[in-house]
Amino acid sequence: DAGVIQSPRHEVTEMGQEVTLRCKPISGHDYLFWYRQTMMRGLELLIYFNNNVPIDDSGMPEDRFSAKMPNASFSTLKIQPSEPRDSAVYFCASSLDSAGRETQYFGPGTRLLVL
Amino acid sequence: KQEVTQIPAALSVPEGENLVLNCSFTDSAIYNLQWFRQDPGKGLTSLLLIQSSQREQTSGRLNASLDKSSGRSTLYIAASQPGDSATYLCAVNPSQGGSEKLVFGKGTKLTVNP
Repeated sequence: DAGVIQSPRHEVTEMGQEVTLRCKPISGHDYLFWYRQTMMRGLELLIYFNNNVPIDDSGMPEDRFSAKMPNASFSTLKIQPSEPRDSAVYFCASSLDSAGRETQYFGPGTRLLVL
Repeated sequence: KQEVTQIPAALSVPEGENLVLNCSFTDSAIYNLQWFRQDPGKGLTSLLLIQSSQREQTSGRLNASLDKSSGRSTLYIAASQPGDSATYLCAVNPSQGGSEKLVFGKGTKLTVNP
């Protein structure tokens, strides 16, 4: 398996623009997670899905952030409008079962810079 | 609220040295704890997962221990190599019932010098 695939790997955009990050989880994994990593706050869970259904989005910072999972092999994280403070590395991860029993496999991340 | 702390934030050692990375958590009611490795510009890779009922896990030169009562875990790396240079993060599953919401420490950046 190719592992978790994320695109783009790098994104530079201007404040106010819409940003869409994409993720393809490992085939057969029922859980998908979106994380954000910054120097100040470390790694934070934004939202996770189980069988394509959003389960907990309490980590989404504000309404500018939205995530979808239209099918088992694709998810998007959208920021609209983007702000400089959104600059971070965004990771997607997937797991076969819940984090209580199975580890999560991380993608390489998308480095977002909002100018 | 569960908080995970890793000290030191950075560590530099000569090749061949045995070393210990530390992780502490505030709430001992955890389901499991994991150690991850993160290489620059890459995602996290799980190294070891310790269930709350376990005391330690071993994989090759790595040994992770867990002391729930004191809220501590250590990652022991034997005979360190330059290829071990990376950031090591620990994460706890904070719910005894099993939860998807891992809580991560900020990591220890390890540099092994040839």
